[in-house]
Amino acid sequence: ETGVTQTPRHLVMGMTNKKSLKCEQHLGHNAMYWYKQSAKKPLELMFVYNFKEQTENNSVPSRFSPECPNSSHLFLHLHTLQPEDSALYLCASSQDEGFSGNTIYFGEGSWLTVV
Amino acid sequence: AQKITQTQPGMFVQEKEAVTLDCTYDTSDPSYGLFWYKQPSSGEMIFLIYQGSYDQQNATEGRYSLNFQKARKSANLVISASQLGDSAMYFCAMRAAGSYQLTFGKGTKLSVIP
Repeated sequence: ETGVTQTPRHLVMGMTNKKSLKCEQHLGHNAMYWYKQSAKKPLELMFVYNFKEQTENNSVPSRFSPECPNSSHLFLHLHTLQPEDSALYLCASSQDEGFSGNTIYFGEGSWLTVV
Repeated sequence: AQKITQTQPGMFVQEKEAVTLDCTYDTSDPSYGLFWYKQPSSGEMIFLIYQGSYDQQNATEGRYSLNFQKARKSANLVISASQLGDSAMYFCAMRAAGSYQLTFGKGTKLSVIP
């Protein structure tokens, strides 16, 4: 069982739909992340939350809206997405963002297809 | 800015043999961490091994070892005694001290042949 769980694992949505991705970490970490992995592109950092506060937004379009109600849960709300947003969305967590040796642990990912 | 380069898009290795996956990096930060992750076709990104920029010894974790050559800015992953379950994408990544950003390379697809 992974320390970071994501639901759903697979999601197909229309461009006018509103859906959410959920992430929960069981590792006692204080930082949580959303990454996007598209075909033929390196992983891209989208958002970072530390102690529930957003500390980084990597110029992500507003159709992606993150929410972090507590240090263990992270959501990514999706609305009016485009087909090019189809990708694997990976949630991750780490103990602290300041030390380069703090390992970032990832979940199993949510495969998103926008039709 | 940091950059990770993985020059091998794909590699093949015979089962039970050792294989080296290449990774070079570029950074101006004096303190940083280097990581290797494994990603099976299911999608999960699995942490394998970590090397700190000030670590004197190469990191090892079971069958994984990291050949760290700081002057050459390389951090190659060595997998000993390859197993069929090692077939996956392997990503090299780095993180500077004080940064949230984990910069990834494009990955190497390893295929283990029976």
